Amino acid sequence: SQQGEEDPQALSIQEGENATMNCSYKTSINNLQWYRQNSGRGLVHLILIRSNEREKHSGRLRVTLDTSKKSSSLLITASRAADTASYFCALNSGNTPLVFGKGTRLSVIA
Amino acid sequence: GAVVSQHPSRVICKSGTSVKIECRSLDFQATTMFWYRQFPKQSLMLMATSNEGSKATYEQGVEKDKFLINHASLTLSTLTVTSAHPEDSSFYICSAPFPGPNSDTQYFGPGTRLTVL
Repeated sequence: SQQGEEDPQALSIQEGENATMNCSYKTSINNLQWYRQNSGRGLVHLILIRSNEREKHSGRLRVTLDTSKKSSSLLITASRAADTASYFCALNSGNTPLVFGKGTRLSVIA
Repeated sequence: GAVVSQHPSRVICKSGTSVKIECRSLDFQATTMFWYRQFPKQSLMLMATSNEGSKATYEQGVEKDKFLINHASLTLSTLTVTSAHPEDSSFYICSAPFPGPNSDTQYFGPGTRLTVL
């Protein structure tokens, strides 16, 4: 399957703690993207990391990519209740549609 | 930034009716658009690739006669769910890649929630 696999499927943390989500995949990729989706809403693009990059930061977000292990992680630091959402990794293998993982449901408890 | 819109955002219909969902790229041209379907608490699954000027490409298991796709112009793709049934109730999302040889960016519409009674 080309689909990414997120881990864990669900995560519950206290506000202020860090949240780490992982994504593993099996195919070669051009880039990997992380998206957030609030319940019943559309997707919000968070960050894109290319296959030749190892780490990227955006505000409280930190994404790593290990192409040798075919895995990526998304770290949200100092989490807030507003970060409660589902987070998906999506694989880009060239001029093809994105393939989404199953997602991690994050709950941040105030 | 580039924007993709969808209309309607929510639709409730009776079983057996047909529902048309529009996906528009508002400030860029999209020769290709993608249609995804998302069931509750599940991931987005690609249904089909909409191609301007040619037939859509459907993923395995997606009935082309049930989910009619028309890429009418460089800014508009429509998905028609024909003879909708309750099992077609889902969240439908379109996306369009930003044009350009080195563009990795896809822009997603806000989604359409279809409820078939």
